[in-house]
Amino acid sequence: ETGVTQSPTHLIKTRGQQVTLRCSSQSGHNTVSWYQQALGQGPQFIFQYYREEENGRGNFPPRFSGLQFPNYSSELNVNALELDDSALYLCASSPDRGTDTQYFGPGTRLTVL
Amino acid sequence: GENVEQHPSTLSVQEGDSAVIKCTYSDSASNYFPWYKQELGKGPQLIIDIRSNVGEKKDQRIAVTLNKTAKHFSLHITETQPEDSAVYFCAAVYNTDKLIFGTGTRLQVFP
Repeated sequence: ETGVTQSPTHLIKTRGQQVTLRCSSQSGHNTVSWYQQALGQGPQFIFQYYREEENGRGNFPPRFSGLQFPNYSSELNVNALELDDSALYLCASSPDRGTDTQYFGPGTRLTVL
Repeated sequence: GENVEQHPSTLSVQEGDSAVIKCTYSDSASNYFPWYKQELGKGPQLIIDIRSNVGEKKDQRIAVTLNKTAKHFSLHITETQPEDSAVYFCAAVYNTDKLIFGTGTRLQVFP
């Protein structure tokens, strides 16, 4: 157990809708990263937050956005959902920016119909 | 660009045999290389990692080797057991923030 939790476990949405996924980091970790994992592939980096500010972003469009809160919980928001957004969304927490070691949560399985 | 190649994509071994998974990374500035195990329906679990100032690291039946000159790193599992069956991912860190993952290796250990 990594101490990283995510909710919900599963989610079904239709194309064009908006979705919010939630993550609770391991206690004391001030850095959270979000990844998208399509079926049969490795996780792809979406973005990272450090002390409530974005600290790096991967090749994802602006309709993917995030928030990190003072209690180290965080959210991933996706607007205007597309079919290709169907994936497992993973968050990972780190003790600090630049410490590299990332501990993953169990993920949220998003299905877009 | 940022890229991590991983081989093989599938690996089947008999219980008790060894398993080796190999990865190659593209950015010579990468200095941290973790390995994750992912079981069906679960998130990736960190099993071992290595930093660029070390050539080899071992933890019980698992070892990782790093060749910075060739930009290669490998995972070695000895005395495999059925519970080692899972998908294994290598990764390299870029710009101290993001992990770039390999495409994964599905390991099957037959009793």
